[in-house]
Amino acid sequence: KAGVTQTPRYLIKTRGQQVTLSCSPISGHRSVSWYQQTPGQGLQFLFEYFSETQRNKGNFPGRFSGRQFSNSRSEMNVSTLELGDSALYLCASTDLMNTEAFFGQGTRLTVV
Amino acid sequence: QQPVQSPQAVILREGEDAVINCSSSKALYSVHWYRQKHGEAPVFLMILLKGGEQKGHEKISASFNEKKQQSSLYLTASQLSYSGTYFCGTGIQGAQKLVFGQGTRLTINP
Repeated sequence: KAGVTQTPRYLIKTRGQQVTLSCSPISGHRSVSWYQQTPGQGLQFLFEYFSETQRNKGNFPGRFSGRQFSNSRSEMNVSTLELGDSALYLCASTDLMNTEAFFGQGTRLTVV
Repeated sequence: QQPVQSPQAVILREGEDAVINCSSSKALYSVHWYRQKHGEAPVFLMILLKGGEQKGHEKISASFNEKKQQSSLYLTASQLSYSGTYFCGTGIQGAQKLVFGQGTRLTINP
């Protein structure tokens, strides 16, 4: 069974630009969650999607948005990038039983 | 509210035991433990559910005290492969929305 796939693995963007990250969950998993990981703040929950609907949202500004497609693949978008958005962005997928979250390798975003 | 982990870091020699604690100011439904090695994705270790029992493998086990809103991870006779950062995640909706602690960095030396 293929794991969670995130693309791209690395990104360098300039302040003010926008970026889209992609996450393909494990086949059959319908819930996808996104997390931001930084040395100072640890793993912070961004949002969670299930069947194309956002069910949960963390405390991030509206510049952070996401969506999920009918095949459960999810994208995360960050607009008007700030230096502080530099982080490792992880997505995790869970199955219907919600027993554990499987994480992808992450996308390392650097904003310069 | 983010759970609090302690200690923040610990250095051990191979074969020694370690305990990592996780406490929350909110009532807990479930506690999830993950280990992340440098440059890798977090990997699931175990989940403890409210009303559930202590779980574990041979040398890695955990407990969940609902009344104290605390969980502890026990690593017995640590191996070099145990090195990494351990995170506890607390949730009221299973693994769909986990609130993670700051992490505990565990270093095992030969």
